[in-house]
Formats: sequence, C-alpha cells, structure tokens
Amino acid sequence: QVQLVESGGGVVQPGGSLRLSCSASGFTFSFFPMHWVRQAPGRGLEWVSVLSYDGNTKNYADSVKGRFTISRDTSNNTLYLQMNSLRAEDTAVYYCTKGLTPPRVLVNGPAGNWGQGTLVTVSS
Amino acid sequence: EIVLTQSPGTLSLSPGEGATLSCMASQSISSSYIAWYQQKPGQAPRLLIFGASSRAAGIPDRFSGSGSGTDFTITISRLEPEDFAVYYCQQYGTSPYTFGQGTKVEIK
Repeated sequence: QVQLVESGGGVVQPGGSLRLSCSASGFTFSFFPMHWVRQAPGRGLEWVSVLSYDGNTKNYADSVKGRFTISRDTSNNTLYLQMNSLRAEDTAVYYCTKGLTPPRVLVNGPAGNWGQGTLVTVSS
Repeated sequence: EIVLTQSPGTLSLSPGEGATLSCMASQSISSSYIAWYQQKPGQAPRLLIFGASSRAAGIPDRFSGSGSGTDFTITISRLEPEDFAVYYCQQYGTSPYTFGQGTKVEIK
C-alpha cells in the first residue's frame, strides 16, 4: 500500500532554511505527481507546491514562490521541499501527498494519499 | 488565484441527520476539478470526492458530490458518529490549487 513518510521538520529562526523529505513506497514514484500541503496550527489547509510526474513542471503558491523549491530523487523515491528565507507565517505541519492521476499521464489530480506530516516552527 | 468560499462555517447536527456543505468558487472551475477532504483532529486529511462527484476508493456511498461551474456541494445522507469532522473543498484545475476555509460538522 502507499506510504508517505515526511521528515526534516524542526525549529528554525526567521530567515533560516530547512529541507523537508518525504520517503515514498508502495507505488512507482516516478509515475505520479506529488504535492506539498501545509496547515498552520489551528488553521485550514494551504496548498504549497506540486511536481509533475515527469519532473518538468513545478508550481507554487504565491506565498512561497521564490523561497521554496520542490524536487525529487527517483533513485531513492524521495520528494523534497527546500525552504529558504523562512518566516513566522511558514510555521505549520507540512504534508506530502501523492496525486490521484492515471500513471504517467500529464493531468491534474487531487491529493489522493497523505503522509502524517512534519512540523516546522519558525521562531527566534 | 481562485478563491473558494465554504458555507456554513459550522454545522450542528445529530447522528442520522443529513448534511449539505457548500463550496463556491470565485471563477469557473475547469473540468469540475473539485475535491472534498475530511479531517479529524490530529489526523491527516482524507480524500472523499474528486472530479466534483466521484467517490474515492473506500468512501461510503452516503457521501456524494455534485455541482459545476462555480457552485459545488457535498452531501452526507445520514451522519454516522465518525462523520463529525472538518470538511475542505479544493480546486485543482488551475494553479495555485487553493482550498476553502473548511466547514466543521459538529454533534448537536
């Protein structure tokens, strides 16, 4: 079955950097789009970024554009989120999700499977 | 970006009652790319509905989705105790793939 396990969260000072990882298993990682979604404490869901299945298209929320970078390593089935110039408002649980699409088809899809999330706290 | 507005903010109902949750978009959603998620406290969200009306795998048929254009709805025909949670809609037709602010379904 699909498993997504996030890691790399922690406490970081404003202006600092952090890299989140998501280890994927139970499916062919390079066949599906992958998303990051975050949730600030006590707040709703916010979509952050998506990487297309072929790795050629990356989209971002306006709130993180220019600061965050999504990437992957298909040799070890891992999705990443590099977060730079962190702000207090980036404090949230970050979820890795697998897009619900047919395999190897460039089509939009919702977040079909979710990891358990990793908490990022930006504070001095 | 497309703004999704969910209503009501909170719905107070009893088990066995029906629930209708609304999601209104600031512009038409291409190909009815609307999804609905359920989230319980301390848990990751779970996909319920995609493509506005298709149930995800393993989702009971008491959950149904409908709508097109800018107006979408999820209906829970008879609330079970495990259905009391927060529900979010999301559009994934146009990046950024925005979420609504959520509707909490609580026990009356």
